[in-house]
This record gives sequence, structure tokens and C-alpha cells, in this order.
Amino acid sequence: KNEVEQSPQNLTAQEGEFITINCSYSVGISALHWLQQHPGGGIVSLFMLSSGKKKHGRLIATINIQEKHSSLHITASHPRDSAVYICAVRSNTGNQFYFGTGTSLTVIP
Amino acid sequence: NAGVMQNPRHLVRRRGQEARLRCSPVKGHSHVYWYRQLPEEGLKFMVYLQKENIIDESGMPKERFSAEFPKEGPSILRIQQVVRGDSAAYFCASSWDMKAEAFFGQGTRLTVV
Repeated sequence: KNEVEQSPQNLTAQEGEFITINCSYSVGISALHWLQQHPGGGIVSLFMLSSGKKKHGRLIATINIQEKHSSLHITASHPRDSAVYICAVRSNTGNQFYFGTGTSLTVIP
Repeated sequence: NAGVMQNPRHLVRRRGQEARLRCSPVKGHSHVYWYRQLPEEGLKFMVYLQKENIIDESGMPKERFSAEFPKEGPSILRIQQVVRGDSAAYFCASSWDMKAEAFFGQGTRLTVV
């Protein structure tokens, strides 16, 4: 079993839809990252969370430490949001990141 | 991204050659992490370094792979005698503290022919 599980694996949405990607983890963590990777591209860190909620533009990330669960929301989705979204947790020993397998999002105009 | 630079972006090597991947962390960051993304797979941790020290290399293959982060200059991931299975994207990330946000580079795509 992976330390980090994401759902869904693939997601197709119409432009303008509200999108939610979920992440559950099984290890003790000091922080959780949401990352974005475009096809053939590098990785961009969208959020780092250790509690509560963060918002940046149309993106919102929440984390529930007790339930070991995080969600990434995209409001008013746009085709340029099409990418793979990866949940990564930093273990509370500080040495390692564990990654989910990613959610491939396609937003159709 | 706040300036993690990896080079080269693309690297082609023949089987048996050596590959050297470089990662220049964000200025002031002394913690570097290397990850590998095999085709159609997720990212896997390889090694965590601080300046001049390897802290955790539990994710790195025992043979042919080595990493360093010298006092001056970039972190280097070195793969000796490359094989086809080493073809992957290699990413590094840096942070100024083990609990601080990590910033990722664009990756080096290694192809072994």
C-alpha cells in the first residue's frame, strides 16, 4: 500500500466546473505539498500545508490532520489548469517525501 | 518556482556511459532532495543531502548511483555505467530548512540508448 493515495486518478471537466482532488496519507507528517506538473514539464509547488486552509487565486487547499486527508479545489476551471496534480507529504522525520501517483486533470473548453 | 536550476534539461547517454546531473538550489538553501520519475510512474525519493553531508540515501540504488552536495557549487547526481532502466526524469528540490517549503527544479530527462 502506498503511503499516499490520491483520487481520482483521471478527471475530465468542462471549463468553469468546480474540481476537487483528494489525498489521503498514512504516515506522520510535518507538511503536505500540492504540486502541479504539466506534460513534459517541470514541477511547480502550489501549496505547502501543515494545518487548515490556504487559497491562491482559484486554487484552495485544505488539510485535516486528524483524518490524514487533504483536498485541492479548483474553482472556475480553465483549460490551462490541465495538468497532473500530485500530493506529496513530508515525513515528520524530515528526511523523506512520499508522493501520490497523481491526478491527471483535463479541462475541456 | 523560486530558482532551482537543473541542467541539462535533456541528456542522452549510451549504455555503459556515465551521466552527471546537476542541481543548483535556491540561493541560501542548504537542503537538497533528489527524486526519480520513471515513465508512467510517480515520483520516488532517492536521496536527501545537506551541505557536504548525505543525510538519507535510502531511496537510492546501492550500485552505480551516487550523490554529493559540496560546500561550493551544485549538487551532483552521478550515474555510472547507465542502463536502459535508468531512463527517467530526475528532479531535485531545495529548502532552507528541513521543515520549510521545498522548491522543485524543472528536471533532467535522461534517455539511455
